[in-house]
Amino acid sequence: DAGVIQSPRHEVTEMGQEVTLRCKPISGHDYLFWYRQTMMRGLELLIYFNNNVPIDDSGMPEDRFSAKMPNASFSTLKIQPSEPRDSAVYFCASSLTGSIQYFGAGTRLSVL
Amino acid sequence: AQSVTQPDIHITVSEGASLELRCNYSYGATPYLFWYVQSPGQGLQLLLKYFSGDTLVQGIKGFEAEFKRSQSSFNLRKPSVHWSDAAEYFCAVGAPQAGGGNKLTFGTGTQLKVEL
Repeated sequence: DAGVIQSPRHEVTEMGQEVTLRCKPISGHDYLFWYRQTMMRGLELLIYFNNNVPIDDSGMPEDRFSAKMPNASFSTLKIQPSEPRDSAVYFCASSLTGSIQYFGAGTRLSVL
Repeated sequence: AQSVTQPDIHITVSEGASLELRCNYSYGATPYLFWYVQSPGQGLQLLLKYFSGDTLVQGIKGFEAEFKRSQSSFNLRKPSVHWSDAAEYFCAVGAPQAGGGNKLTFGTGTQLKVEL
C-alpha cells in the first residue's frame, strides 16, 4: 500500500491567495484527519471525517479554512484568503477504525 | 479535556546507551496511548500503542513503553540506541468520540540527539 499521499509537498504563496492542499487516504480507511503543526502550537487537529462526513471541525481556526471529502479516496483543505500566520506543516492521516492513525508526509506551506 | 506533557524538550544520548522518554497524560477514563516518531521532513510513524491489557507494550525498532495508571505515565524506552533513532518523538492520548473515531492530543515532542 502506498500509504497516505499528500500533495503538494511544498507550497509557497503570497498573502491573499487561495491555497488547496490535497490528501489521498489509505484505501479502505473510513476516517480522515487533518492536522496542522507549528513551532508555537505543536500538532493540532483541525477536522476529521468518518465515511466522508465531517464529524468534528472544532479545530478549524476560522472561516478562511474549509475542508471537503467528496469521496472515500480524496480530501482537500482550502485556505482562502491565506495569511502569513497560516504558514505551517499540514498533515493528513487516515484510519481504518478511527483508533490508529497513519500519517502522510505533510505539506509545508509558506505564505509570504 | 485530555492533555499530554512531555517534560523533556531535548535529550542527548550516546549510541549504545539506554533511553527513556517521559510522557504524562491527563484523561478521565482509560486512555488510548500512542508514541509516534517524526524524522526531519517526514510524517509521523507509529511506534507503539496501548489500548488495554498488558501494561508493557512492544513496538517497532526495538522500542517499548510501560503504562502506569497510578502515575498517569506512558514512558518510552529502548535498551540500546542507534544513531538512526535521532528524531522527534511524540506521545499522544486518544479520546473516543461520540461520532466515532479517536481524537488524538499530542505532547509537544522530545527531540532526541544521538552522539556517536
